[in-house]
Amino acid sequence: IQMTQSPSSLSASVGDRVTITCQASQDIRKFLNWYQQKPGKVPKLLIYDASNLETGVPSRFSGSGSGTVFTLTITSLESEDIATYYCHQYDDLHALTFGGGTRVDIK
Amino acid sequence: EVLLVESGGGLVKPGGSLRLSCAASGFTFRSYAMSWVRQAPGKGPEWVAAISNSGTYEYYAESVRGRFSISRDNAKNSVYLQMNSLRVEDTAVYYCSRAATRTFPRDRWGQGVLVTVS
Repeated sequence: IQMTQSPSSLSASVGDRVTITCQASQDIRKFLNWYQQKPGKVPKLLIYDASNLETGVPSRFSGSGSGTVFTLTITSLESEDIATYYCHQYDDLHALTFGGGTRVDIK
Repeated sequence: EVLLVESGGGLVKPGGSLRLSCAASGFTFRSYAMSWVRQAPGKGPEWVAAISNSGTYEYYAESVRGRFSISRDNAKNSVYLQMNSLRVEDTAVYYCSRAATRTFPRDRWGQGVLVTVS
């Protein structure tokens, strides 16, 4: 299963609404996670099962979608959100895959 | 608290072998599938291999199939990755992960161990 993430990078201002999209090459139902990774750090789980907020993650992060198209939204970008974001499908343990990543920085 | 601690990384020559280990704690290890994920410098994560909770089933990415072998010891709460015929392009940080699955979507990652093939 191929995961196509877009855009590959974006620049936004503090307070902006940011949307990242991940498209699966086939139906993965709701089995998608979103991660945030800062340089030199381990990827951090933000959203599981497409739309569930992981414990401790700020409520400005949200996820939606099912089937083949999924989105991660940051409702009001903060400077600490500068990072690279990845999607990850786990519909099939035979072949887990990650998206190519979206680098988010401040305009 | 879930804890995954990898060991066994290092510098190896092309064609060489290395065995990674991962010690798990803080959860019922035998109930969860486990996986290895790697991340080459400046690249995104790449899934490498996964093993079912009982160890009965093993799955591999095409890039490592036939060269890498995943195994687990539920009595020792440990998972392993035997890497043979290593290539320069296998250079990466290797993360042990409690795999995200349909039943348990909230995965957990270790801190990672660096493998350098040069």
